[in-house]
Amino acid sequence: NAGVTQTPKFRVLKTGQSMTLLCAQDMNHEYMYWYRQDPGMGLRLIHYSVGEGTTAKGEVPDGYNVSRLKKQNFLLGLESAAPSQTSVYFCASRVYPRGAEAFFGQGTRLTVV
Amino acid sequence: TQLLEQSPQFLSIQEGENLTVYCNSSSVFSSLQWYRQEPGEGPVLLVTVVTGGEVKKLKRLTFQFGDARKDSSLHITAAQPGDTGLYLCAGITGNQFYFGTGTSLTVIP
Repeated sequence: NAGVTQTPKFRVLKTGQSMTLLCAQDMNHEYMYWYRQDPGMGLRLIHYSVGEGTTAKGEVPDGYNVSRLKKQNFLLGLESAAPSQTSVYFCASRVYPRGAEAFFGQGTRLTVV
Repeated sequence: TQLLEQSPQFLSIQEGENLTVYCNSSSVFSSLQWYRQEPGEGPVLLVTVVTGGEVKKLKRLTFQFGDARKDSSLHITAAQPGDTGLYLCAGITGNQFYFGTGTSLTVIP
């Protein structure tokens, strides 16, 4: 059972380039989330989805777009990367009940130069 | 400004000491969770608390949810080197799932 898988694991981008991060889960979870993690900031919510075809903004959505065309996949896009988007990105998924555990991928380390 | 603030941000203690980590917010949460994260890995769930005033124990770890469901604490008794890691609280409100600023704990043998 793979759980939550993120690709790629590492990436270096030049300022202005675009890229898409893929999150795939095989647990049939409804809810999926994208976070970024920076030193001293914990995890900050970028965007989330409560089901196939739905997305919503989190705390820090600017500069990012997302799509959830299939239930098992949640894509995070950077249209024009900036050095401020250098971070470690985590995807998570969970089922609906309020106390349900979130399962995380292993993260994508993105550097924008 | 993040919804959940943790204190302290860094903590370095000797093996055998006790410690408490705090997670505070001005918002009310339907439930609150604590996670631990190892370097290079995603966070892993330790506990979920859902009722105001609830206390849960997990071996040497004691978790408490504030009466007003706005804050929480994690107390570790007789810390061990294996407790080293980043501790994160997470508050759930509606469909959103917010994490705290994190506490980096180092337990020195």
